[in-house]
Amino acid sequence: EAQVTQNPRYLITVTGKKLTVTCSQNMNHEYMSWYRQDPGLGLRQIYYSMNVEVTDKGDVPEGYKVSRKEKRNFPLILESPSPNQTSLYFCASSPGAFEQSGANVLTFGAGSRLTVL
Amino acid sequence: AQKITQTQPGMFVQEKEAVTLDCTYDTSDPSYGLFWYKQPSSGEMIFLIYQGSYDQQNATEGRYSLNFQKARKSANLVISASQLGDSAMYFCAMRPYNFNKFYFGSGTKLNVKP
Repeated sequence: EAQVTQNPRYLITVTGKKLTVTCSQNMNHEYMSWYRQDPGLGLRQIYYSMNVEVTDKGDVPEGYKVSRKEKRNFPLILESPSPNQTSLYFCASSPGAFEQSGANVLTFGAGSRLTVL
Repeated sequence: AQKITQTQPGMFVQEKEAVTLDCTYDTSDPSYGLFWYKQPSSGEMIFLIYQGSYDQQNATEGRYSLNFQKARKSANLVISASQLGDSAMYFCAMRPYNFNKFYFGSGTKLNVKP
């Protein structure tokens, strides 16, 4: 089954304790990205990657790191989490660059709910 | 600036009636794609419908249609014959050609009443 898998689904942690949220896709997609969802703000892009070793900042990158060493994996790293990073996080992937045909639809993971105390 | 605006935080609709969810966008890029996603209470993001900026006709997918008015920069989602299972949060999104980013609106929470 074609899917994006992210783990953990739920996590409660404390301020300053480094954590990693993993993301893996089995569709051979070139494009991968991370979003956070907060009430009233919708989804905001944190980081994205067009291919292996190619990453770039989204609109809210502060406090986050990413890496893309393999095409299928795109982990999100919170080096020193703070309470304002409490949120619902989504990883998503799409085949590649924009196409008018609509082939660039984002496929989302199930989401990871993070609470930082 | 690239921006998506959804001005209806919440809406109610009677079962079996049609409902329109508003979405306006702003981009200087002549080539872009517009998407609608559904997020039920379980939390997953479900793709509903896509419209390319060069498409001459409005997109349709079953009970979903996209009312695309390019000059007004609007991409409203129309759900015909609402069902109880349509109760969810709905997000409008845009991807401009020259930007490798997706831009999402703040969402509209739809409640379908029996």
